[in-house]
Amino acid sequence: ILNVEQSPQSLHVQEGDSTNFTCSFPSSNFYALHWYRWETAKSPEALFVMTLNGDEKKKGRISATLNTKEGYSYLYIKGSQPEDSATYLCAFPHANDYKLSFGAGTTVTVRA
Amino acid sequence: DTGVSQDPRHKITKRGQNVTFRCDPISEHNRLYWYRQTLGQGPEFLTYFQNEAQLEKSRLLSDRFSAERPKGSFSTLEIQRTEQGDSAMYLCASSSTAGGTEAFFGQGTRLTVV
Repeated sequence: ILNVEQSPQSLHVQEGDSTNFTCSFPSSNFYALHWYRWETAKSPEALFVMTLNGDEKKKGRISATLNTKEGYSYLYIKGSQPEDSATYLCAFPHANDYKLSFGAGTTVTVRA
Repeated sequence: DTGVSQDPRHKITKRGQNVTFRCDPISEHNRLYWYRQTLGQGPEFLTYFQNEAQLEKSRLLSDRFSAERPKGSFSTLEIQRTEQGDSAMYLCASSSTAGGTEAFFGQGTRLTVV
């Protein structure tokens, strides 16, 4: 199991504000990095699968960047809305069997 | 809905009882994973099937845990003689070897051992 760390553990954001948080992972033997959004009582939903150093991906107001050489990824939420409230997980798939090593998550609460 | 489904969604059981959870993966997916998530932690890997073969089992998994995937379709996870420390969210995910690393998750089964 690989060491994947996320910070901060939780964030409280005012509606309309932008925010970002970090996932760090082992930079050696990089294969891919996943971001998931997990809302209460729902399934974790894949946001991004990132594979290349310098990758930037965007989905609506959410975007992510990847630095495989230094072993980190940022997730950005622009103009936060209450529906963005969720736990955001990053996960590192193992090369052979694709099992995932997860970070502990960043829980985002957007206040109206 | 053709996503991953898990049953039951919630289970409360007394310590010492056996429980069984079911996961129905996306039909064309040949890989199936079980994860467990406890409060304040990310999901941790428990076991992995490719078709009907259980290819890996985490060292974290005690002998009280067993999983099956008969005929490479649905999977069951059984916990015998439950303990309070087994209280957690149990997540199932499936993927296709042709689909890269992306996994699709069910909503999970929340187990509470009292």
